[in-house]
Amino acid sequence: DQQVKQNSPSLSVQEGRISILNCDYTNSMFDYFLWYKKYPAEGPTFLISISSIKDKNEDGRFTVFLNKSAKHLSLHIVPSQPGDSAVYFCAASAGFGQGAQKLVFGQGTRLTINP
Amino acid sequence: GAGVSQTPSNKVTEKGKYVELRCDPISGHTALYWYRQSLGQGPEFLIYFQGTGAADDSGLPNDRFFAVRPEGSVSTLKIQRTERGDSAVYLCASKLSGLGTEAFFGQGTRLTVV
Repeated sequence: DQQVKQNSPSLSVQEGRISILNCDYTNSMFDYFLWYKKYPAEGPTFLISISSIKDKNEDGRFTVFLNKSAKHLSLHIVPSQPGDSAVYFCAASAGFGQGAQKLVFGQGTRLTINP
Repeated sequence: GAGVSQTPSNKVTEKGKYVELRCDPISGHTALYWYRQSLGQGPEFLIYFQGTGAADDSGLPNDRFFAVRPEGSVSTLKIQRTERGDSAVYLCASKLSGLGTEAFFGQGTRLTVV
């Protein structure tokens, strides 16, 4: 039972354009969502997060949008840069107000930025 | 060091052998997690420590897997009677407990069972 799904295994975007990565979830108890970026032979690196009380969070070139009714979130990167080429994981947790909780990850989307 | 450190970075073992994987979390982080990532998949939760105790071990696949964190810092993931299906990257993460804190991951240990 895949509770967090990233249906696009790969995405290719031209440098300077917008990259949009999508994520769907099924568990209505999830209330905190994160995006991680992973380069080969490295561990995932935290990118940006959003709690369920918000519908948008922005940090520089990165914006995460949350649509709770659709159980959908997306990560927008604009403008896309070659260094953004990596695998991006969406993750979710339940119990934001209760401290440390385990993360449930999607399968990942490999983003390639073409010069 | 400043980040989460995992050793060894690579481990090749024969089927049926016992292995130990080590994780040094970020100093002061009380929460520690182990995840397993198979090829083409996202990380899957194995176990979570809060201090010295395992607060949630619901992700351990069977009783061949065990983890300890005796002093609330370094953790060791132990796998007995390894099987080829145990081959994966084992990731450790640590975080400060509290609201809105993010987990920091180590580079992982790639375990290959032959």
